[in-house]
Amino acid sequence: AQSVTQLGSHVSVSEGALVLLRCNYSSSVPPYLFWYVQYPNQGLQLLLKYTTGATLVKGINGFEAEFKKSETSFHLTKPSAHMSDAAEYFCAVISDSNYQLIWGAGTKLIIKP
Amino acid sequence: EPEVTQTPSHQVTQMGQEVILRCVPISNHLYFYWYRQILGQKVEFLVSFYNNEISEKSEIFDDQFSVERPDGSNFTLKIRSTKLEDSAMYFCASEAPLAPAYEQYFGPGTRLTVT
Repeated sequence: AQSVTQLGSHVSVSEGALVLLRCNYSSSVPPYLFWYVQYPNQGLQLLLKYTTGATLVKGINGFEAEFKKSETSFHLTKPSAHMSDAAEYFCAVISDSNYQLIWGAGTKLIIKP
Repeated sequence: EPEVTQTPSHQVTQMGQEVILRCVPISNHLYFYWYRQILGQKVEFLVSFYNNEISEKSEIFDDQFSVERPDGSNFTLKIRSTKLEDSAMYFCASEAPLAPAYEQYFGPGTRLTVT
């Protein structure tokens, strides 16, 4: 079955350090890939998405992600973490069969002062 | 900025009772979705709705579940006879016609607790 794997349920980085959240997916067709963020007590907000074209996509709040077909990965990065980045981050792919979102388990990003 | 709203934010109900979760999608959106997230587990697709009918549903969305768009603004999810395992966060989402690919906007969720 199609799946999304996020490595690490919790990732802790210091303020100002690089953020790297990993996502690997499976898809039998060229994928549509998404990163969503969920701040405490809020809904899911789209950070960025990859559909076609440039493999490095930029999103909101300084985040970006690179689609690597050979590695079936779509890792999320940010050069310098802010305290306000503390949230849960979800990677998702559009299903090959019913075109609905298939979600990863989420990674909680913890920012240390 | 327009947003998707959901009510209530938290619903506690007894097993066997019916619950209705409400969503107000963004006003010009035509595609509507329900997802759920059981505590500690992945977000799961339940159902999508377009043109006043279900377009896709998952295996989770059995006969106990139904969706409705009773008027021009609300989109509801009904669970007829709740079970303990229905306890979860339920998210509504909507999508504009001709949106950039599958760009869904999510509400803040309703936490359903079945006792």
